[in-house]
Amino acid sequence: KQEVTQIPAALSVPEGENLVLNCSFTDSAIYNLQWFRQDPGKGLTSLLLIQSSQREQTSGRLNASLDKSSGRSTLYIAASQPGDSATYLCAVNTNAGKSTFGDGTTLTVKP
Amino acid sequence: EAGVAQSPRYKIIEKRQSVAFWCNPISGHATLYWYQQILGQGPKLLIQFQNNGVVDDSQLPKDRFSAERLKGVDSTLKIQPAKLEDSAVYLCASSFLTRNTEAFFGQGTRLTVV
Repeated sequence: KQEVTQIPAALSVPEGENLVLNCSFTDSAIYNLQWFRQDPGKGLTSLLLIQSSQREQTSGRLNASLDKSSGRSTLYIAASQPGDSATYLCAVNTNAGKSTFGDGTTLTVKP
Repeated sequence: EAGVAQSPRYKIIEKRQSVAFWCNPISGHATLYWYQQILGQGPKLLIQFQNNGVVDDSQLPKDRFSAERLKGVDSTLKIQPAKLEDSAVYLCASSFLTRNTEAFFGQGTRLTVV
């Protein structure tokens, strides 16, 4: 059974700092991995989708990396802004099309 | 492009009552998911449809939860009877295909059972 862990559970940083969010998974037989952002009381917004054959994906100030063999993905946020404050979730998708989410990292960027 | 629509946004019911949630996926998306998200946790998949067929309902509490997807488009999720532990946000998502495309989420329905 796939288990997904996100550490830390919460993170507070000053504005402008670069930061890394971590996602680890127990079964490396994945099809792809997706990072989401969730604002309080809202649904999930897709940030990046990284296929199992890819090492990284970039979108603006966001960069996601994937190391299947070690069961790890990181989301790098450059030059953080207060508007980046949200909960960040990773979801691991298996070859059978099943998604398992981590419990998320709640990020607070202080002005 | 219109997003995934869900209704209602909020619902408060007493335990043992029944409740239904509705989801309209993005047009053309074959795959539809229902997730339960308890406060402080990540979403947990309840059921996944491919068109109007069920792909995965292994985590759906079938004694009280049911879901259907009419004509492979809209879907409803029902809870009958509700328990206190069903209090959560119920998220609907859709994707064009199953595995290799992004999933898009609706705003969710926040259910409170008192």
